[in-house]
Amino acid sequence: DAGVIQSPRHEVTEMGQEVTLRCKPISGHDYLFWYRQTMMRGLELLIYFNNNVPIDDSGMPEDRFSAKMPNASFSTLKIQPSEPRDSAVYFCASSETGGETEAFFGQGTRLTVV
Amino acid sequence: QKEVEQNSGPLSVPEGAIASLNCTYSDRVSQSFFWYRQYSGKSPELIMSIYSNGDKEDGRFTAQLNKASQYVSLLIRDSQPSDSATYLCAARGVTDSNYQLIWGAGTKLIIKP
Repeated sequence: DAGVIQSPRHEVTEMGQEVTLRCKPISGHDYLFWYRQTMMRGLELLIYFNNNVPIDDSGMPEDRFSAKMPNASFSTLKIQPSEPRDSAVYFCASSETGGETEAFFGQGTRLTVV
Repeated sequence: QKEVEQNSGPLSVPEGAIASLNCTYSDRVSQSFFWYRQYSGKSPELIMSIYSNGDKEDGRFTAQLNKASQYVSLLIRDSQPSDSATYLCAARGVTDSNYQLIWGAGTKLIIKP
């Protein structure tokens, strides 16, 4: 398997624009996680899905953020409208069911909002 | 107390020495622990996992779990400059249905040649 695939790798956008980040989890993994990482706040869980259903979105910072998982092989994280404080690296990760299973990370999307 | 705590460092260790990274946790996490390594500009990757009290060894890496004292450690023997990275400690959420990982802030490790 190619691992967790994220796109784009880098995104530079102007404040107020819509940004869509994409993720393809590892085939057979039924958990998908979206994280945001900054120097100040470290790695923060935004939302996670189990079998395409959102389980916990309490980490989504505000209504400008939304996430979907229309099928087992694809998820999106959308920011509309984007703001400079959204600048961060966004990671997608997936794992199998089971408390002792690790999470595998994608390469991340570095988002810069100017 | 935060659920998972780490000293942010940086921790500086001479090449060839043992690097010791520590993580403490609260009652709000389960007993499954993971150590991830993250190089600058890269994504976290799993180094070791540990679920039982005691030591678990894998090559130059040893994970230690002490449930009574609520800490988990990662020892790196014969440290190499390539071990310089940020090491993240993570634990599973406490409920059976809570599969999210609770993350520490990470410890930056610097191996000096």
